[in-house]
Amino acid sequence: GESVGLHLPTLSVQEGDNSIINCAYSNSASDYFIWYKQESGKGPQFIIDIRSNMDKRQGQRVTVLLNKTVKHLSLQIAATQPGDSAVYFCADFEGGNQFYFGTGTSLTVIP
Amino acid sequence: GAVVSQHPSRVICKSGTSVKIECRSLDFQATTMFWYRQFPKQSLMLMATSNEGSKATYEQGVEKDKFLINHASLTLSTLTVTSAHPEDSSFYICSGQFQETQYFGPGTRLLVL
Repeated sequence: GESVGLHLPTLSVQEGDNSIINCAYSNSASDYFIWYKQESGKGPQFIIDIRSNMDKRQGQRVTVLLNKTVKHLSLQIAATQPGDSAVYFCADFEGGNQFYFGTGTSLTVIP
Repeated sequence: GAVVSQHPSRVICKSGTSVKIECRSLDFQATTMFWYRQFPKQSLMLMATSNEGSKATYEQGVEKDKFLINHASLTLSTLTVTSAHPEDSSFYICSGQFQETQYFGPGTRLLVL
């Protein structure tokens, strides 16, 4: 669902470990989902997307899992690196112009 | 592909002046662009949806006379912060919609003294 002006939850992981960032959405009509990465002082960057007819999609070191039953989305980052430190947002899209952004999670990678 | 630029990237202005921020889609046509505001350590806050050739749709609580949006072409939307005050200092981000995905600009940091 949409979250406005909330302080971000944080996640700290050791370099080399896997990271899992979770996101819940509320709109059962959403059929397209995106993960964005936002580094400090920059705009969000598209990482990976998934459609509702899929449960899993893999990219380079990233995997997105979609559980439509519980309206849950997760982003897994393998072998997390210091450059992965950023805020990660999920977004769901129900068609037209209706995007909904999650609160975001601040990921810190500890060297 | 699907690159969005913003100009300026950073601006400092005096209280009471107006500031214009440009958002351009460089390699696609964006009939719809979005303007967001972001405070430190917080999530994106949608301000308005900008549609080419028509009036922008503002979110609740966003003053349309304060934040003027013009989307005159398929590749350019502008946000003008009128009579800026220190509380308008923030990070402003635009995005353009290409197919089903929003692609974001790099953001504009506004500091009003």
